[in-house]
Amino acid sequence: DAKTTQPPSMDCAEGRAANLPCNHSTISGNEYVYWYRQIHSQGPQYIIHGLKNNETNEMASLIITEDRKSSTLILPHATLRDTAVYYCIVRVPPRSAAGGGNKLTFGTGTQLKVEL
Amino acid sequence: ETGVTQSPTHLIKTRGQQVTLRCSSQSGHNTVSWYQQALGQGPQFIFQYYREEENGRGNFPPRFSGLQFPNYSSELNVNALELDDSALYLCASSRAGLAGIQETQYFGPGTRLLVL
Repeated sequence: DAKTTQPPSMDCAEGRAANLPCNHSTISGNEYVYWYRQIHSQGPQYIIHGLKNNETNEMASLIITEDRKSSTLILPHATLRDTAVYYCIVRVPPRSAAGGGNKLTFGTGTQLKVEL
Repeated sequence: ETGVTQSPTHLIKTRGQQVTLRCSSQSGHNTVSWYQQALGQGPQFIFQYYREEENGRGNFPPRFSGLQFPNYSSELNVNALELDDSALYLCASSRAGLAGIQETQYFGPGTRLLVL
């Protein structure tokens, strides 16, 4: 799985958009970009994923550059409850029978702090 | 639809003891993955279970073992506990969809293990 680079921390004012960047310059053509977040001492929460087109769901938007070497997760109206560590992961969804398993490789993520 | 559940929520053991952690997968999911998250770090993949067999393993010694049951629930067993085994243990479930491709993983709340 390709390696990702994220800033260690970011701050955002409540009500503003939070834009979290991720670099994945070695991504291969069949690797997807996944985003999870982890609120303190809880299990990671799935947010969104995409291959090359921009994606939007009820939680966030994912913007992937045309060369796919970077992406941005956008929380359109951040609230205090969005304070968490955000992880960007790139991977090929494995086949069940593949020996490599189903692992997600987590880096250190970005600590997003939303403030009043 | 019920999410991923784990038990117990917290556990204290002493060095050398054995521990069993339990996970119930999300409805409709047939694959379970286990992760260990030490304080201040991202989750690390331990192994995955699919069709009641281990199918992929991370860099963990054999004293970490598991089971998957016909209802897709799973257990993580750790023998000869060491102080460094103190961590948050996370279970994630997913579904093998079309052509065996593993779909998105969803995490449980975790079990906090403290080894004294």
